[in-house]
Amino acid sequence: EVQLVQSGVEVKKPGESLRISCKGSGYSFTSYWISWVRQMPGKGLEWMGRIDPSDSYTNYSPSFQGHVTISPDKSISTAYLQWSSLKASDTAMYYCARLPIVVPAAIPAFDIWGQGTMVTVSS
Amino acid sequence: QSALTQPASVSGSPGQSITISCTGTSSDVGGYNYVSWYQQHPGKAPKLMIYDVSNRPSGVSNRFSGSKSGNTASLTISGLQAEDEADYYCSSYTSSSSLFGGGTKLTVL
Repeated sequence: EVQLVQSGVEVKKPGESLRISCKGSGYSFTSYWISWVRQMPGKGLEWMGRIDPSDSYTNYSPSFQGHVTISPDKSISTAYLQWSSLKASDTAMYYCARLPIVVPAAIPAFDIWGQGTMVTVSS
Repeated sequence: QSALTQPASVSGSPGQSITISCTGTSSDVGGYNYVSWYQQHPGKAPKLMIYDVSNRPSGVSNRFSGSKSGNTASLTISGLQAEDEADYYCSSYTSSSSLFGGGTKLTVL
């Protein structure tokens, strides 16, 4: 079964660092971008950025550039989203989703999503 | 990079059809056929419903259809059912980024 499995709920204090993960299985991990998507409470989806796990090439949304870092560990088919100093405004659900890089006959859209990781930042 | 524009809410009665619009620019929706639509029920991850403007993934009901004209894409749901009540998001992507619409809450009356 093709799936993305994310790490669990996080509760942190402002100023703390955090890394959440997204593990792919059932497909060639390096053939798909992994994107991260933020959903603040009661709000819509926001694309944060993406990474090519094969070479760590990344693109970030201007809204998130410099605030988060996306990285991969292709040896364990896992992508990460990390913060060096959390703010209360980072409280949100974070989803990872895959998008094909160059895969014949693949669906050119976010066809598989992780279950989401809820991050709460509060003093 | 602004979000794509969707109506905040739409509603319809069971059996009726509704259409949700998604307006972008010639740099995203109008410039590429990589428009997709996602359904999200409360507390759940988004689910892909339409890709490449009008294609349905395996398992998605043929009551869902998509189209595009210029810088505006549309999702039509025919034969509304109670289970269709959810939030719907459009998305477009380019060679270096993706963009989502603000989302539309569909209420089945």
